[in-house]
Amino acid sequence: SQELEQSPQSLIVQEGKNLTINCTSSKTLYGLYWYKQKYGEGLIFLMMLQKGGEEKSHEKITAKLDEKKQQSSLHITASQPSHAGIYLCGATYPPGNTGKLIFGQGTTLQVKP
Amino acid sequence: DTAVSQTPKYLVTQMGNDKSIKCEQNLGHDTMYWYKQDSKKFLKIMFSYNNKELIINETVPNRFSPKSPDKAHLNLHINSLELGDSAVYFCASSPLAGGYGYTFGSGTRLTVV
Repeated sequence: SQELEQSPQSLIVQEGKNLTINCTSSKTLYGLYWYKQKYGEGLIFLMMLQKGGEEKSHEKITAKLDEKKQQSSLHITASQPSHAGIYLCGATYPPGNTGKLIFGQGTTLQVKP
Repeated sequence: DTAVSQTPKYLVTQMGNDKSIKCEQNLGHDTMYWYKQDSKKFLKIMFSYNNKELIINETVPNRFSPKSPDKAHLNLHINSLELGDSAVYFCASSPLAGGYGYTFGSGTRLTVV
């Protein structure tokens, strides 16, 4: 089994709807990263969370990290076709100084106009 | 100016050949990485260099050899290419090993025929 599990694996939503993607770690993590990938392109950094209970927002995307630092959620409000892509969560683990970023298997999001 | 640039973007080659992928970053970062993304979009770390020194070497066949001539460059050389090597290879960099601010290149799609 993987250290980092994402759910759901894929998601199709109607434009304007809200959605949530979850990322669960099998152990306490050091830092949690959210990236977005469009087909044929690199990874675009969305947000990084490091403190338990932390929440960050950018435009219509909000990410939270639970107090135990084992679970994160990414919430998109009023989805738009531009939100479509693959969302990847990545985590570093203590001691956190190796630079090893481990990824979940990704969530493919389609937004229907 | 592209922050992390990889060349080539696409590479089609025959089994048994040797090929290289080049990566350069102009962010002044100390740490660089190679990741492999398989057909299921799962991203896995292969190598990490910090200031030209190898710090992460995951279980990768020794046909893969990274080379870092200076801290702005990390190249990946692959000998005796196999069908299973077909994937997208991403280069990334970060300010410090384990620090936040990972920046990814746009990927090199390698197809072995």
